[in-house]
Amino acid sequence: EAGVTQFPSHSVIEKGQTVTLRCDPISGHDNLYWYRRVMGKEIKFLLHFVKESKQDESGMPNNRFLAERTGGTYSTLKVQPAELEDSGVYFCASSHFTSGQLPYNEQFFGPGTRLTVL
Amino acid sequence: KQEVTQIPAALSVPEGENLVLNCSFTDSAIYNLQWFRQDPGKGLTSLLLIQSSQREQTSGRLNASLDKSSGRSTLYIAASQPGDSATYLCAVRDGSGYSTLTFGKGTMLLVSP
Repeated sequence: EAGVTQFPSHSVIEKGQTVTLRCDPISGHDNLYWYRRVMGKEIKFLLHFVKESKQDESGMPNNRFLAERTGGTYSTLKVQPAELEDSGVYFCASSHFTSGQLPYNEQFFGPGTRLTVL
Repeated sequence: KQEVTQIPAALSVPEGENLVLNCSFTDSAIYNLQWFRQDPGKGLTSLLLIQSSQREQTSGRLNASLDKSSGRSTLYIAASQPGDSATYLCAVRDGSGYSTLTFGKGTMLLVSP
Protein backbone atom coordinates (compact mmCIF):
# COMPACT_ATOMS: atom_id res chain seq x y z
CA GLU A 1 0.00 0.00 0.00
CA ALA A 2 1.40 3.39 -0.98
CA GLY A 3 2.05 5.86 1.81
CA VAL A 4 1.42 9.58 1.84
CA THR A 5 3.18 11.24 -1.08
CA GLN A 6 4.10 14.87 -1.57
CA PHE A 7 5.22 16.83 -4.58
CA PRO A 8 7.60 18.47 -5.14
CA SER A 9 10.25 17.28 -2.71
CA HIS A 10 12.07 20.61 -2.98
CA SER A 11 11.08 24.02 -4.26
CA VAL A 12 13.19 27.15 -4.50
CA ILE A 13 11.38 30.35 -5.44
CA GLU A 14 11.88 34.06 -5.15
CA LYS A 15 9.98 36.31 -2.83
CA GLY A 16 6.69 37.35 -4.37
CA GLN A 17 6.29 34.24 -6.50
CA THR A 18 3.58 31.63 -6.14
CA VAL A 19 4.15 28.00 -5.19
CA THR A 20 1.69 25.11 -5.01
CA LEU A 21 2.41 22.03 -2.94
CA ARG A 22 0.55 18.80 -3.45
CA CYS A 23 -0.27 15.96 -1.09
CA ASP A 24 -1.76 12.58 -1.92
CA PRO A 25 -2.99 10.85 1.23
CA ILE A 26 -3.22 7.12 1.78
CA SER A 27 -6.15 5.78 -0.19
CA GLY A 28 -9.32 5.72 1.87
CA HIS A 29 -8.11 8.17 4.51
CA ASP A 30 -10.69 10.85 5.07
CA ASN A 31 -8.50 13.00 7.32
CA LEU A 32 -5.76 15.07 5.76
CA TYR A 33 -3.51 17.45 7.67
CA TRP A 34 -0.92 20.03 6.72
CA TYR A 35 1.96 20.90 9.04
CA ARG A 36 5.01 23.10 8.72
CA ARG A 37 8.43 23.16 10.33
CA VAL A 38 10.50 26.29 10.06
CA MET A 39 14.19 26.12 10.93
CA GLY A 40 14.87 25.80 14.63
CA LYS A 41 11.22 25.47 15.55
CA GLU A 42 8.89 22.60 16.23
CA ILE A 43 6.47 21.19 13.66
CA LYS A 44 3.26 23.21 13.76
CA PHE A 45 -0.22 22.41 12.56
CA LEU A 46 -1.67 24.39 9.66
CA LEU A 47 -5.03 22.84 8.86
CA HIS A 48 -7.16 19.72 8.81
CA PHE A 49 -9.55 18.39 6.17
CA VAL A 50 -12.21 15.79 6.69
CA LYS A 51 -12.91 14.67 3.15
CA GLU A 52 -13.30 17.91 1.20
CA SER A 53 -14.31 20.06 4.18
CA LYS A 54 -11.99 22.16 6.30
CA GLN A 55 -12.40 20.90 9.85
CA ASP A 56 -9.85 23.22 11.42
CA GLU A 57 -7.75 25.89 9.76
CA SER A 58 -6.69 27.69 12.92
CA GLY A 59 -3.01 27.18 12.17
CA MET A 60 -2.94 28.91 8.80
CA PRO A 61 -0.53 31.84 9.19
CA ASN A 62 -2.35 34.37 7.01
CA ASN A 63 -4.43 34.76 3.88
CA ARG A 64 -1.45 34.20 1.60
CA PHE A 65 -1.98 30.50 2.25
CA LEU A 66 -4.81 28.68 0.49
CA ALA A 67 -5.51 24.98 0.90
CA GLU A 68 -7.94 22.94 -1.13
CA ARG A 69 -9.07 19.36 -1.28
CA THR A 70 -11.48 19.07 -4.16
CA GLY A 71 -13.29 15.75 -4.26
CA GLY A 72 -11.83 14.72 -0.96
CA THR A 73 -8.77 13.06 -2.46
CA TYR A 74 -5.51 14.93 -2.92
CA SER A 75 -4.88 18.35 -1.46
CA THR A 76 -2.97 21.41 -2.58
CA LEU A 77 -1.45 24.18 -0.52
CA LYS A 78 -0.79 27.39 -2.39
CA VAL A 79 1.36 30.22 -1.09
CA GLN A 80 0.78 33.48 -2.92
CA PRO A 81 2.80 35.66 -2.78
CA ALA A 82 5.58 33.84 -0.97
CA GLU A 83 7.62 35.65 1.67
CA LEU A 84 11.02 34.82 3.16
CA GLU A 85 9.48 33.60 6.43
CA ASP A 86 7.49 30.95 4.54
CA SER A 87 10.65 28.89 4.08
CA GLY A 88 10.54 25.54 5.82
CA VAL A 89 9.44 21.97 5.40
CA TYR A 90 5.76 21.39 4.74
CA PHE A 91 4.45 18.03 5.84
CA CYS A 92 1.21 16.36 4.95
CA ALA A 93 -0.37 13.59 7.00
CA SER A 94 -3.46 11.45 6.73
CA SER A 95 -5.47 9.25 9.01
CA HIS A 96 -8.45 6.97 8.67
CA PHE A 97 -11.77 8.29 9.85
CA THR A 98 -13.67 5.87 12.02
CA SER A 99 -16.82 6.43 13.99
CA GLY A 100 -17.04 5.50 17.61
CA GLN A 101 -14.39 5.65 20.24
CA LEU A 102 -11.33 6.55 18.22
CA PRO A 103 -12.40 9.01 15.58
CA TYR A 104 -9.00 10.54 15.01
CA ASN A 105 -6.32 7.94 15.19
CA GLU A 106 -2.73 7.48 14.14
CA GLN A 107 -1.46 9.94 11.57
CA PHE A 108 0.81 8.84 8.75
CA PHE A 109 3.18 11.45 7.40
CA GLY A 110 4.59 12.13 3.98
CA PRO A 111 8.26 12.95 3.30
CA GLY A 112 7.61 16.68 3.22
CA THR A 113 8.29 19.46 0.74
CA ARG A 114 11.26 21.67 1.51
CA LEU A 115 10.39 25.22 0.45
CA THR A 116 13.08 27.87 0.16
CA VAL A 117 12.06 31.45 -0.52
CA LEU A 118 14.94 33.70 -1.63
CA LYS B 1 -2.18 26.41 25.06
CA GLN B 2 -0.44 23.06 24.95
CA GLU B 3 3.35 23.06 24.95
CA VAL B 4 5.55 20.02 24.46
CA THR B 5 9.17 19.89 25.61
CA GLN B 6 11.71 17.21 24.81
CA ILE B 7 14.88 16.60 26.75
CA PRO B 8 17.67 16.22 25.84
CA ALA B 9 17.84 18.12 22.57
CA ALA B 10 20.68 15.87 21.43
CA LEU B 11 22.17 12.63 22.66
CA SER B 12 25.22 10.66 21.59
CA VAL B 13 25.76 7.12 22.88
CA PRO B 14 27.87 4.10 21.97
CA GLU B 15 26.19 1.11 20.41
CA GLY B 16 24.56 -1.29 22.86
CA GLU B 17 23.50 1.22 25.48
CA ASN B 18 19.97 1.46 26.78
CA LEU B 19 18.63 5.00 26.67
CA VAL B 20 15.66 7.11 27.65
CA LEU B 21 14.18 10.07 25.82
CA ASN B 22 11.90 12.40 27.74
CA CYS B 23 8.81 14.31 26.71
CA SER B 24 6.71 16.62 28.88
CA PHE B 25 3.50 18.46 28.12
CA THR B 26 1.80 21.31 29.95
CA ASP B 27 -1.87 20.34 29.64
CA SER B 28 -2.53 16.85 30.97
CA ALA B 29 -5.95 16.61 29.32
CA ILE B 30 -4.64 14.80 26.27
CA TYR B 31 -6.39 12.36 23.93
CA ASN B 32 -3.27 10.44 22.99
CA LEU B 33 0.47 10.76 22.55
CA GLN B 34 2.54 9.65 19.60
CA TRP B 35 6.27 9.07 19.21
CA PHE B 36 7.79 9.56 15.77
CA ARG B 37 11.16 9.03 14.20
CA GLN B 38 12.53 11.29 11.48
CA ASP B 39 15.56 10.42 9.37
CA PRO B 40 17.40 13.25 7.58
CA GLY B 41 15.47 14.37 4.51
CA LYS B 42 12.67 11.93 5.20
CA GLY B 43 9.18 12.15 6.59
CA LEU B 44 8.00 11.13 10.02
CA THR B 45 7.61 7.48 10.86
CA SER B 46 5.18 6.67 13.62
CA LEU B 47 6.78 4.46 16.27
CA LEU B 48 4.23 4.17 19.05
CA LEU B 49 0.85 5.66 19.88
CA ILE B 50 -0.43 5.65 23.46
CA GLN B 51 -4.07 6.42 24.17
CA SER B 52 -4.79 8.53 27.25
CA SER B 53 -6.18 5.49 29.07
CA GLN B 54 -2.99 3.48 28.54
CA ARG B 55 0.20 3.46 30.59
CA GLU B 56 2.63 2.09 28.03
CA GLN B 57 3.13 0.61 24.59
CA THR B 58 5.89 -1.67 23.35
CA SER B 59 7.24 -2.43 19.91
CA GLY B 60 10.37 -4.51 19.63
CA ARG B 61 13.21 -2.72 21.43
CA LEU B 62 11.05 0.36 22.01
CA ASN B 63 8.89 1.00 25.03
CA ALA B 64 6.91 4.20 25.57
CA SER B 65 5.30 5.07 28.87
CA LEU B 66 2.72 7.71 29.68
CA ASP B 67 2.02 9.43 32.99
CA LYS B 68 -0.81 11.72 32.05
CA SER B 69 -1.30 13.25 35.47
CA SER B 70 2.27 14.49 35.62
CA GLY B 71 2.39 15.40 31.95
CA ARG B 72 5.24 13.09 31.02
CA SER B 73 6.15 10.38 28.58
CA THR B 74 9.37 8.49 28.10
CA LEU B 75 10.67 6.50 25.16
CA TYR B 76 12.99 3.72 26.18
CA ILE B 77 15.30 2.22 23.55
CA ALA B 78 16.99 -1.02 24.52
CA ALA B 79 20.35 -2.16 23.15
CA SER B 80 20.76 0.81 20.84
CA GLN B 81 22.11 0.32 17.31
CA PRO B 82 23.66 2.72 14.78
CA GLY B 83 20.47 2.37 12.74
CA ASP B 84 18.57 4.00 15.59
CA SER B 85 20.31 7.30 14.82
CA ALA B 86 17.57 9.79 13.94
CA THR B 87 15.52 12.60 15.42
CA TYR B 88 12.79 11.40 17.76
CA LEU B 89 9.67 13.53 18.06
CA CYS B 90 6.93 13.47 20.65
CA ALA B 91 3.47 14.80 19.80
CA VAL B 92 0.22 15.03 21.75
CA ARG B 93 -3.38 15.35 20.68
CA ASP B 94 -5.49 17.37 23.08
CA GLY B 95 -8.45 15.97 24.92
CA SER B 96 -11.12 17.31 22.64
CA GLY B 97 -10.13 14.75 20.05
CA TYR B 98 -10.78 17.27 17.34
CA SER B 99 -7.53 19.14 17.62
CA THR B 100 -4.41 18.03 15.90
CA LEU B 101 -0.94 17.16 17.04
CA THR B 102 1.27 19.48 19.07
CA PHE B 103 4.91 18.60 18.61
CA GLY B 104 8.07 18.98 20.63
CA LYS B 105 11.28 20.07 18.94
CA GLY B 106 12.69 16.57 19.08
CA THR B 107 15.75 14.75 20.38
CA MET B 108 18.54 14.13 17.90
CA LEU B 109 20.08 10.73 18.66
CA LEU B 110 23.43 9.50 17.41
CA VAL B 111 24.46 5.93 18.13
CA SER B 112 28.08 5.29 17.27
CA PRO B 113 29.46 1.83 16.38
